[in-house]
Formats: sequence, C-alpha cells, structure tokens
Amino acid sequence: DTEVTQTPKHLVMGMTNKKSLKCEQHMGHRAMYWYKQKAKKPPELMFVYSYEKLSINESVPSRFSPECPNSSLLNLHLHALQPEDSALYLCASSQAGEVSTEAFFGQGTRLTVV
Amino acid sequence: GENVEQHPSTLSVQEGDSAVIKCTYSDSASNYFPWYKQELGKRPQLIIDIRSNVGEKKDQRIAVTLNKTAKHFSLHITETQPEDSAVYFCAARGNSGAGSYQLTFGKGTKLSVIP
Repeated sequence: DTEVTQTPKHLVMGMTNKKSLKCEQHMGHRAMYWYKQKAKKPPELMFVYSYEKLSINESVPSRFSPECPNSSLLNLHLHALQPEDSALYLCASSQAGEVSTEAFFGQGTRLTVV
Repeated sequence: GENVEQHPSTLSVQEGDSAVIKCTYSDSASNYFPWYKQELGKRPQLIIDIRSNVGEKKDQRIAVTLNKTAKHFSLHITETQPEDSAVYFCAARGNSGAGSYQLTFGKGTKLSVIP
C-alpha cells in the first residue's frame, strides 16, 4: 500500500467554524507533513512530525493546530480561519531520519473559507 | 535554510522535442533531489529522484543530472508528448536541525507540449 489518504477532498467553512483535516498512511513511515499550496505556487511546508513528535513548525498561525495521534494518522485542526487560508492542503509521508526516500503525497483537501 | 531556484517558470516545446528544466540549491548538505509532476487539480507525483552519491539517473524518456560541486540539478525529458504537459517541481531534501529533514521546493515550471 503506497497510498496517503486525505479526508475530506473538499471543504467549505465559515470563518467561525471549527473543522479538521485528516490524513492516514500505512506504509510504516515515521515522518508526516502538512503542506499548503496556493494556485500556481509550490507546496509550502507548514508542519513536520517525526516519530509522532512535532519537529518543525514553519511559523504557522495558531488557527492551524496539528495533531499526530499515532504513527499512521495526522490531523490538522482549523479554527477561525481567514479567506486567505483558502488553498489545497496536502499531507505527505516519508521515512524519517537521515534516509533519503520518496515523500508520498495525499490527493489533498481543497479548502474554501467563506 | 535551504533555498531552491528553478528555471524557466514556463516552457513550451513542440511534441517530440526535448525539454530541460534546471534547479540550483544552496545547502551543500542536501542529499536527495526529487522531481514532482503535478497536473491541474491533482497531487504532486514523483517522476524521478537522485541522491547525492549519483551523478545521473535515467528512466525511459526522463533523466536527471546532479552536479554537487556547482549545486545544481536538471530534468531532461526527451521525445515529449502532450501528456507531459503539467507543472514540474524540483526539490531538495536537507537537514533542518534536531534530526528533522524537509523538502524545499522550487517555484515550478509549467511545461506545455504543443501537438
């Protein structure tokens, strides 16, 4: 199984809503990532979890809150978002540590904040 | 941190011609260089990668070269086909400290193959 599964595929939320994005992989990868991608731009790293611990937070606003409940799951909790947060949110996973291996991307969640 | 520059930003070629996309990176400790293809509305998908102990890698019509001294790497697509049309991203994987590694992406190249 080389899949990274993200749910939901599409999400429309108001600025006062609370929602969560979910990501799951069963490849035994111990590094998981959240990226944000705006149209015609590269993926922009938000968070990295390594062995279920948050290792990188790229100065992301606190209205985005990541969670890694176990080695297969990664969540991104959203609260009080702004319209400019509308984007494609991509989850990825890879082997952790010094091993240089492929990062597998999920199909993404297309988020629209209204 | 790592900085990856990618050129050109757009590239149009006639079907059957070759396409070359070039990237440079800043961190000499980076050791893994993947190339991703992203079609409109879809996820980035790995098409080829190269590690720092290798100078060239080929997979059918796609090849990647790496010059560690100059800190640049290139993607070569031969005999281009319309289905090669997409946005291509290069990336470099480096050490962010405390044992954490991350991919830094170039800005992307929109490749259009004209039938």
